[in-house]
Amino acid sequence: KAGVTQTPRYLIKTRGQQVTLSCSPISGHRSVSWYQQTPGQGLQFLFEYFSETQRNKGNFPGRFSGRQFSNSRSEMNVSTLELGDSALYLCASSLASRGHGYTFGSGTRLTVV
Amino acid sequence: QQPVQSPQAVILREGEDAVINCSSSKALYSVHWYRQKHGEAPVFLMILLKGGEQKGHEKISASFNEKKQQSSLYLTASQLSYSGTYFCGTEPNRDDKIIFGKGTRLHILP
Repeated sequence: KAGVTQTPRYLIKTRGQQVTLSCSPISGHRSVSWYQQTPGQGLQFLFEYFSETQRNKGNFPGRFSGRQFSNSRSEMNVSTLELGDSALYLCASSLASRGHGYTFGSGTRLTVV
Repeated sequence: QQPVQSPQAVILREGEDAVINCSSSKALYSVHWYRQKHGEAPVFLMILLKGGEQKGHEKISASFNEKKQQSSLYLTASQLSYSGTYFCGTEPNRDDKIIFGKGTRLHILP
């Protein structure tokens, strides 16, 4: 079956712009989580959506937002980009039932210049 | 809240064993283990659940000490393909967010 699909794979944006990243989970997976990965900080949790509702939220500023659609696809948006937002953004989907782990997408590499 | 992994890095020769530890300051519902190779997405290896259930992957095993809030990942007779960065992720309560440690870099030499 198809894996988790993230688009685009690479993005270069200018400071102050906004960006939208997309994630299509594995069919049947209703939970989608987003993580920011940087060399110094590792995998930092952004938020999790389950059945179109934000179930958990990390400690990121309000410039970072997300949503989930009825088909479980998810988007995350970063407004007013800063240089420090440069990172690999990973999306992970899960069955969200006891005993199941995450399947990660290949990520979107965002570079802010 | 971030779990602490040790060691930060380890170099082994093919066939040797390795243990990676993950420690949390909070009570845990589950512990996840993932491996990430350079330039690739993290791949799920194993989940350990409060109450003793375990779901594994390949020839890698793990333990979960609920009282000590610790988990260990055991790689026996390591293979070259085991190289990568290993992350533990902890979930304090069911349906809670999963917080990952900073990772353990494992390099296997032929």
